[in-house]
Amino acid sequence: KAGVTQTPRYLIKTRGQQVTLSCSPISGHRSVSWYQQTPGQGLQFLFEYFSETQRNKGNFPGRFSGRQFSNSRSEMNVSTLELGDSALYLCASSLGGHLNTEAFFGQGTRLTVV
Amino acid sequence: DQQVKQNSPSLSVQEGRISILNCDYTNSMFDYFLWYKKYPAEGPTFLISISSIKDKNEDGRFTVFLNKSAKHLSLHIVPSQPGDSAVYFCAAFGSSNTGKLIFGQGTTLQVKP
Repeated sequence: KAGVTQTPRYLIKTRGQQVTLSCSPISGHRSVSWYQQTPGQGLQFLFEYFSETQRNKGNFPGRFSGRQFSNSRSEMNVSTLELGDSALYLCASSLGGHLNTEAFFGQGTRLTVV
Repeated sequence: DQQVKQNSPSLSVQEGRISILNCDYTNSMFDYFLWYKKYPAEGPTFLISISSIKDKNEDGRFTVFLNKSAKHLSLHIVPSQPGDSAVYFCAAFGSSNTGKLIFGQGTTLQVKP
């Protein structure tokens, strides 16, 4: 069974640009969550999508957005990039049920903003 | 507001001894607690979880203890092995927000041969 796949693995962008990251969850998983990891802030929750709807949202500015497709694949978009957006972006997939207790993470996309 | 806290940034233990990693939380709405292990440039790997209705869960060398009244949980690794060296994160969520994991800052464990 394939794991969570994130593309691309590495990305370099300049300030002001926008970027789209992709996440393919484990087959059968309907929930995809996105996290930002930085050295100073640790792992911070961005948002979660379940059945193509945003179900939870963290405390990030509107420049961070996402969507989920009918096959559960998800994309995250960051517009008007800032230097502080440089981070490892992780997505996690899970079944998404009420008592779901386990989320599986992808390897992440390392975004560098210069 | 740091709802999940891991107050020890690092821990060093000798191979074969016990590693104890600690985690505190403030939100009484959390129902489930998980521990993840992370190597650099990789995503976190799930280790073990515990429901708030239990006080202990064991899986091989890993045991998680939950003290609900103290809002404290700990991960015990016995015996510790050099391959256990990694960053360990505790995380929590409430049953009304199953897709929203709140993570602690992580503890870097070094197991010396």
